[in-house]
Amino acid sequence: EAGVAQSPRYKIIEKRQSVAFWCNPISGHATLYWYQQILGQGPKLLIQFQNNGVVDDSQLPKDRFSAERLKGVDSTLKIQPAKLEDSAVYLCASSFSLGQSYNEQFFGPGTRLTVL
Amino acid sequence: AQSVSQHNHHVILSEAASLELGCNYSYGGTVNLFWYVQYPGQHLQLLLKYFSGDPLVKGIKGFEAEFIKSKFSFNLRKPSVQWSDTAEYFCAVNTNAGKSTFGDGTTLTVKP
Repeated sequence: EAGVAQSPRYKIIEKRQSVAFWCNPISGHATLYWYQQILGQGPKLLIQFQNNGVVDDSQLPKDRFSAERLKGVDSTLKIQPAKLEDSAVYLCASSFSLGQSYNEQFFGPGTRLTVL
Repeated sequence: AQSVSQHNHHVILSEAASLELGCNYSYGGTVNLFWYVQYPGQHLQLLLKYFSGDPLVKGIKGFEAEFIKSKFSFNLRKPSVQWSDTAEYFCAVNTNAGKSTFGDGTTLTVKP
């Protein structure tokens, strides 16, 4: 079974530039998550999709971050404009169904973003 | 809002020592509890989970965890660690609404 795919793996940009990350979840997984993990901290949920609908985006800084999952499969996360404090690893995860909260999440390798 | 607290930021043990990593959460409703592990250079992956039944759950590689509802705790244990257990360990809580919260992780270093 193929895992969660993310690209790019690394990205270096200057502040005020824009950046986009892509995620392809495990086939058949309805729920997709984007997390931000700052060095020394645990993953912080940014947005959670069930199919192509947003379930929770309460911690997404909506003035600069946006995400979409148009066909209920792949997803993109965008930052525009980036700030220094956005330097982090951005993790994508998927799980079989939101309706069963005991389902574990499967994580991708992450994208390490450095904002200079 | 729920939160997860992992008390030990960095633990250093010698091989064959016993391990216990603490995890406490704050949430008044029903929760599902998870421990994830990230080995050096690898993805986060599930170690074990609790969602109902026996509060003592067993996971991969000899790890176990005990859910104590009255203490809002879900501590991870292993009787005898190996060098290959060197990793970062994250406790996570899912509410019934599916909201997921992670702790800040514990880095375990096992000396050979």
